Amino acid sequence: DADVTQTPRNRITKTGKRIMLECSQTKGHDRMYWYRQDPGLGLRLIYYSFDVKDINKGEISDGYSVSRQAQAKFSLSLESAIPNQTALYFCATSDWTSGRTETQYFGPGTRLLVL
Amino acid sequence: DAKTTQPTSMDCAEGRAANLPCNHSTISGNEYVYWYRQIHSQGPQYIIHGLKNNETNEMASLIITEDRKSSTLILPHATLRDTAVYYCIVRVRVSGNTGKLIFGQGTTLQVKP
Repeated sequence: DADVTQTPRNRITKTGKRIMLECSQTKGHDRMYWYRQDPGLGLRLIYYSFDVKDINKGEISDGYSVSRQAQAKFSLSLESAIPNQTALYFCATSDWTSGRTETQYFGPGTRLLVL
Repeated sequence: DAKTTQPTSMDCAEGRAANLPCNHSTISGNEYVYWYRQIHSQGPQYIIHGLKNNETNEMASLIITEDRKSSTLILPHATLRDTAVYYCIVRVRVSGNTGKLIFGQGTTLQVKP
């Protein structure tokens, strides 16, 4: 979905390096999410944010941190990258429209390789 | 937390209906069922969701059993471009009316010519 962009699309880094993955959205949604996907597996939630001041840990937050700089921007950081963080990372957004629905819109993904 | 069970893989002939089942026997009365799909390594794409009643949109139909313990996603006329991994998800409540989606491993649908 072109309304959700992720940069970079591909990244190779070395063990111990700090890296940041960025996500921007033009959908005007209040909620944003970071997921990772390992080969052959489903997506796992790393962090999610329901607004700029509300950030929550997901299933696998260890080794990651996030920053919600503005409603439209949500960054994921790996403070000291390790090889088992090699994965495909997705950002997503959603809008609290009515009741309990959660329709999420995903970015194209960032493929990260940690050597 | 409600969990879902899906077959690992399914095949479907092009032009025929694809029926993808999902079991969610521990679903709570106010939890929605969502379906997403992921084509190759692209970002997942929302398909449809429902609570109790059957739902239909331009992409698919969702049939939910009366006891809500299972559902079926129907792609009425599958095309080769529908080859993807299909995820059946029950929204997990965080607090109040706030929730999140937990993705499982999904069903790999292969549409064949």
